[in-house]
Amino acid sequence: DIVMTQSPDSLAVSLGERATINCKSSQSVLSRSNNKNYVAWHQQKPGQPPKLLIRWASTRESGVPDRFSGSGSGTDFTLTISSLQAEDVAVYYCQQYYSTPPTFGQGTKVEIK
Amino acid sequence: QVQLVQSGAEVKKPGASVKVSCKASGYTFTKNGIAWVRQAPGQGLQWMGWISASSGVTNYAQNLQGRVTMTTDTSTSTAYMDLRSLRSDDTAVYYCARGFYSADAFDIWGQGTMVTVSS
Repeated sequence: DIVMTQSPDSLAVSLGERATINCKSSQSVLSRSNNKNYVAWHQQKPGQPPKLLIRWASTRESGVPDRFSGSGSGTDFTLTISSLQAEDVAVYYCQQYYSTPPTFGQGTKVEIK
Repeated sequence: QVQLVQSGAEVKKPGASVKVSCKASGYTFTKNGIAWVRQAPGQGLQWMGWISASSGVTNYAQNLQGRVTMTTDTSTSTAYMDLRSLRSDDTAVYYCARGFYSADAFDIWGQGTMVTVSS
């Protein structure tokens, strides 16, 4: 199974400041056939189900604010919140869907400083 | 709108079985599959398996083989997850999620069903 490791486990950021979450996969999740990275990012607010924010490492889902961006390739990926808002307090999970079973990182808790 | 609505919370004794339902609406049920993902209290997300809504083909997590069965009823656009021989470490919130493939960026999630296993 591909192991997804996120860092840090938690971070506190001031309102309006940048938050950066890293995710590393134990093997490459870049497909040579279509040059796509099989990484998604999900946001989970307390008491709610996860919500898909980004797929293909950098493609935002419809309706997701453009302060959320994803980057990276191969084994190293990043989710950036460019200007943290109060409603962004949540746990964020990276997920690989390159191979079955799909696996998730352990989560990164984002709080307001 | 596109949504998945799950059945309510369950409390079961060790050794019992639980069956959770997930009703889809707002899209063509048979054009996608349904994955099941669980989350133990305070923990992360664990994929349990996936079923194709069109063919019924399943793919289960290795550590649940023999204890889990996933089915669908296309007449009601409902997916079911049956977990047997429950143990205390099966206590978790169980989510269904839409995915075209067994490994996919799951784009629609149910609200979750809390299953508590306790004597």
